[in-house]
Amino acid sequence: DVKVTQSSRYLVKRTGEKVFLECVQDMDHENMFWYRQDPGLGLRLIYFSYDVKMKEKGDIPEGYSVSREKKERFSLILESASTNQTSMYLCASIPTAGSSNEKLFFGSGTQLSVL
Amino acid sequence: AQSVTQLDSQVPVFEEAPVELRCNYSSSVSVYLFWYVQYPNQGLQLLLKYLSGSTLVKGINGFEAEFNKSQTSFHLRKPSVHISDTAEYFCAVMDSSYKLIFGSGTRLLVRP
Repeated sequence: DVKVTQSSRYLVKRTGEKVFLECVQDMDHENMFWYRQDPGLGLRLIYFSYDVKMKEKGDIPEGYSVSREKKERFSLILESASTNQTSMYLCASIPTAGSSNEKLFFGSGTQLSVL
Repeated sequence: AQSVTQLDSQVPVFEEAPVELRCNYSSSVSVYLFWYVQYPNQGLQLLLKYLSGSTLVKGINGFEAEFNKSQTSFHLRKPSVHISDTAEYFCAVMDSSYKLIFGSGTRLLVRP
């Protein structure tokens, strides 16, 4: 089974801190995504990456950056955390080709609280 | 740019009644369409997907959806719901770049 692993289930940070959210997938997928999920707003795409060192902005990239130095790892960075970034963060991956290439595999999520 | 609209934020329904959850999308290119379900305190699960071919797609747990290109809709239906169907349902659209955009979700509340 494909596994998408997010390093922390719960995280509490202070305003102004630099925050790293890590995501690792074990199935050699080319495409990886970071979403945030908020009540009433659904999942909103922050950034996605279709290859190593390649990244594309999603719908809400402000206040975030990403890093994809290796194919299996996609990191989300909050340069200076703010309270409005308190949210559930979901990482996902999907291959470019193959029988399951239309199915997105999700991590279990990181609930980030910024105080 | 593509977008997804789920007009109903909450749909209350009695057990064994039929239900339809509405989804409209906007995109200038061919897309793939999905419905995901999220049960309380759980992750997202794929219910069904439309890639091509028959416009009526059957998914898990008795759900089905119909792709209507002229109306740019992909409504989800179930003829008879159960209490266990209480969950949040998300419609999503993917284009050829594999960018997947979700709607804001519809909370289905099934009452006895």
